[in-house]
Amino acid sequence: KNEVEQSPQNLTAQEGEFITINCSYSVGISALHWLQQHPGGGIVSLFMLSSGKKKHGRLIATINIQEKHSSLHITASHPRDSAVYICAVSRTGNQFYFGTGTSLTVIP
Amino acid sequence: DGGITQSPKYLFRKEGQNVTLSCEQNLNHDAMYWYRQDPGQGLRLIYYSQIVNDFQKGDIAEGYSVSREKKESFPLTVTSAQKNPTAFYLCASRPTGGAASGANVLTFGAGSRLTVL
Repeated sequence: KNEVEQSPQNLTAQEGEFITINCSYSVGISALHWLQQHPGGGIVSLFMLSSGKKKHGRLIATINIQEKHSSLHITASHPRDSAVYICAVSRTGNQFYFGTGTSLTVIP
Repeated sequence: DGGITQSPKYLFRKEGQNVTLSCEQNLNHDAMYWYRQDPGQGLRLIYYSQIVNDFQKGDIAEGYSVSREKKESFPLTVTSAQKNPTAFYLCASRPTGGAASGANVLTFGAGSRLTVL
């Protein structure tokens, strides 16, 4: 069983739709990360959170520590949001565990 | 601008050849990582290094080797012993200070795609 599970694996949305990607984890963590990978392959960090909620522009990330669950929301989705979104958790030391990613396509 | 530079972006290798992927960072980060990404799988750790002249095996180190002679550089060699080397390889780094220094946040390079012919 993977330490980090994401759903859905693939997601297609119409431009303007509200999008939610879910992440569950099974280990104790120091922080949870949401990453974005564009078709070229490079990965950028969107959020790191250990409690509550963070917002950056149209992106919102929430985490429920008790339930070991996090969600990434995208409001007013746009075709430029099309990418793979990866949930990862960090633990003490050098340990990072990564989900398999959610491939999002936003259609104009 | 600070960042991580990986090269080459695309690499083709014949079976039986060793190839070396370059990773250079100018972020003054102590820790550096190599990950392998395959379709449908999460990133898997190949090797990591927390300081110069020291590195540790990750989950899938067999068939790979690394060196860390300089803080800025962490090259990965894919040897002929790696039976299925075709994959996307990502280098990452992070500082090793406290949370205020961003120690929990990885910075990634743009990746290198290796194809075995």
